[in-house]
Amino acid sequence: GENVEQHPSTLSVQEGDSAVIKCTYSDSASNYFPWYKQELGKRPQLIIDIRSNVGEKKDQRIAVTLNKTAKHFSLHITETQPEDSAVYFCAPRDSNYQLIWGAGTKLIIKP
Amino acid sequence: DADVTQTPRNRITKTGKRIMLECSQTKGHDRMYWYRQDPGLGLRLIYYSFDVKDINKGEISDGYSVSRQAQAKFSLSLESAIPNQTALYFCATSNGGVETQYFGPGTRLLVL
Repeated sequence: GENVEQHPSTLSVQEGDSAVIKCTYSDSASNYFPWYKQELGKRPQLIIDIRSNVGEKKDQRIAVTLNKTAKHFSLHITETQPEDSAVYFCAPRDSNYQLIWGAGTKLIIKP
Repeated sequence: DADVTQTPRNRITKTGKRIMLECSQTKGHDRMYWYRQDPGLGLRLIYYSFDVKDINKGEISDGYSVSRQAQAKFSLSLESAIPNQTALYFCATSNGGVETQYFGPGTRLLVL
């Protein structure tokens, strides 16, 4: 089955700086790579996703990059703001079409 | 997302009791999922259903059962609750070939 690892488990950055979270996976058949954000006490929500035929996708301050050869994809957040504080999950889709969730990265934005 | 609801939102039960968690959606999605979330472990899939007559086991189905009563309703049962089933349970939906999953607000379950 798919093995998914996220790094780091906790990331603390100064407001205005950039944050990068990396997700590695094992299933070479994976072809869909989403990132979900979960604010404290709330439900997970999709923030950005990418498919295997694309190397990078941007949406305002967030971006996702994919390296299929190395089997990892990363979430990039620029100009971080207090509302970016949350837990972020990667969840690559495996060959059974199921999302396999990473353990999460807690992002702390320091004022 | 108010289109996916879960009841109850919080539940305390005792070891050995049977309980049911319910999920309803008004999004018109055909696919529904049950996950549990434990601190430091992310979300793990318990069961999923692609249509009313379709039920599939996920990663951690032991000790759980589900029922898809209608396209809009998907229930999760714990036949005999045990303390290590204490967790936050999420229902989610998606629509056909669109991968985005929409989550309910969660049910916090404590088994004593």
